[in-house]
Amino acid sequence: SAVISQKPSRDICQRGTSLTIQCQVDSQVTMMFWYRQQPGQSLTLIATANQGSEATYESGFVIDKFPISRPNLTFSTLTVSNMSPEDSSIYLCSVGYQGVDTQYFGPGTRLTVL
Amino acid sequence: GENVEQHPSTLSVQEGDSAVIKCTYSDSASNYFPWYKQELGKRPQLIIDIRSNVGEKKDQRIAVTLNKTAKHFSLHITETQPEDSAVYFCAAYDYKLSFGAGTTVTVRA
Repeated sequence: SAVISQKPSRDICQRGTSLTIQCQVDSQVTMMFWYRQQPGQSLTLIATANQGSEATYESGFVIDKFPISRPNLTFSTLTVSNMSPEDSSIYLCSVGYQGVDTQYFGPGTRLTVL
Repeated sequence: GENVEQHPSTLSVQEGDSAVIKCTYSDSASNYFPWYKQELGKRPQLIIDIRSNVGEKKDQRIAVTLNKTAKHFSLHITETQPEDSAVYFCAAYDYKLSFGAGTTVTVRA
C-alpha cells in the first residue's frame, strides 16, 4: 500500500485563525478523502477531494469552513478556517484506488484550538 | 444514509481467550465491510475486510463473518495477546465508508 504522510503532525492554534493540513502520498492514487476524529470518537467523513475540481462535502460540512484542494494525484490540503475550540480533533486523510473500495489512512494531524 | 451500530463499546478479555465484536448496518446496498484497528495515538490500520459475496474470511488469529440477510457482520479474534489491545472500528461501504462507534479491547495478561 501507499506511504502516506501528513503535515503538521500536531498543532495548537488560537481561535479565529486557520490551519492548512497537507497530505502527501508516495504514489498516484485515484481517491483521497478527509476525515475528522473528535476526541474519543469514531471517524466521520468530511469530504472527498477531487483532482482538478471542487471537493464533494458530506452533510454538515461546508466549503467555507473546510476548503480542500487537490492539485494532482499525490497531494491534497485541508484548511480548517476560523477555528473554534470545537474544531479540536484529529484530522486524517485516506487514499483509495479506482475500482477498489479499500482505504488506507495517513498518520493524522492532532489539532488543539485554544 | 448508512447507519452502522457496533457492540460492545468496551471489551475486556483474559489473554488467550477469544474476543468478538458485532456490527449491524442499515443499507442493503452496502457491499464492502472493513475492520480497522487503532492503537493509542496511531492511525487506523486495516486488519481484515470482507465483501458481500463472501460469508467468512480468516487471516491467522482474526476472522470476519457476514450475514447479508440479517445485515450484520462480526470480528473474531482468537488466542488474544496483549498487543491486540486497541480500539477496533467496523465500517460499511455503499458510496462511502460509514464507521461504527468503536470497541475498546483490553487484553489482561
